[in-house]
Amino acid sequence: QQQVKQSPQSLIVQKGGISIINCAYENTAFDYFPWYQQFPGKGPALLIAIRPDVSEKKEGRFTISFNKSAKQFSLHIMDSQPGDSATYFCAARERTYKYIFGTGTRLKVLA
Amino acid sequence: EAQVTQNPRYLITVTGKKLTVTCSQNMNHEYMSWYRQDPGLGLRQIYYSMNVEVTDKGDVPEGYKVSRKEKRNFPLILESPSPNQTSLYFCASSPRARGRRTEAFFGQGTRLTVV
Repeated sequence: QQQVKQSPQSLIVQKGGISIINCAYENTAFDYFPWYQQFPGKGPALLIAIRPDVSEKKEGRFTISFNKSAKQFSLHIMDSQPGDSATYFCAARERTYKYIFGTGTRLKVLA
Repeated sequence: EAQVTQNPRYLITVTGKKLTVTCSQNMNHEYMSWYRQDPGLGLRQIYYSMNVEVTDKGDVPEGYKVSRKEKRNFPLILESPSPNQTSLYFCASSPRARGRRTEAFFGQGTRLTVV
């Protein structure tokens, strides 16, 4: 049973374009929603995160939009760059500190 | 430097030969966990530990064991590895706190092949 559904599985974007990755969750008890970025041969690293009492969080070119009523959140990468090419995972944390991850989105930004 | 260290990074073994993948963190985090990453399936939790001597099953615990005798170490044990355990494994740690810095830190990964 997948508690966090992520789409799309892969994404190709032109340099300078906007990359959008979506996630939906079921458990209303989740209290923290991070996005992780993973480069080949590396472990995932925290990119940006949001708590459910906030509807949007922006850090540089990266923005999380959070819709609590729809139980959805998304990552927007503005002015996408080839260096952003990586796999992105959304996640949700339970109050027990357990993380549930999405299945990942492989992003490729064309130069 | 804050880090989670896994060893080995790469391992090829034969079916049935017991192995241990070590994980150590230097951030004094209470919470540690093991994940396996498989194409199309994302990161699935194998086992986790809330603190020393406290461990519990994650979503895919079959064929694995863990122990948490010290706060910094959380080894993953495969008593009798099988080919379906060929995967990329990650150890992660996070603080048991709800302040600003509550992110999970991941190790570099261990690529295991069981033949």
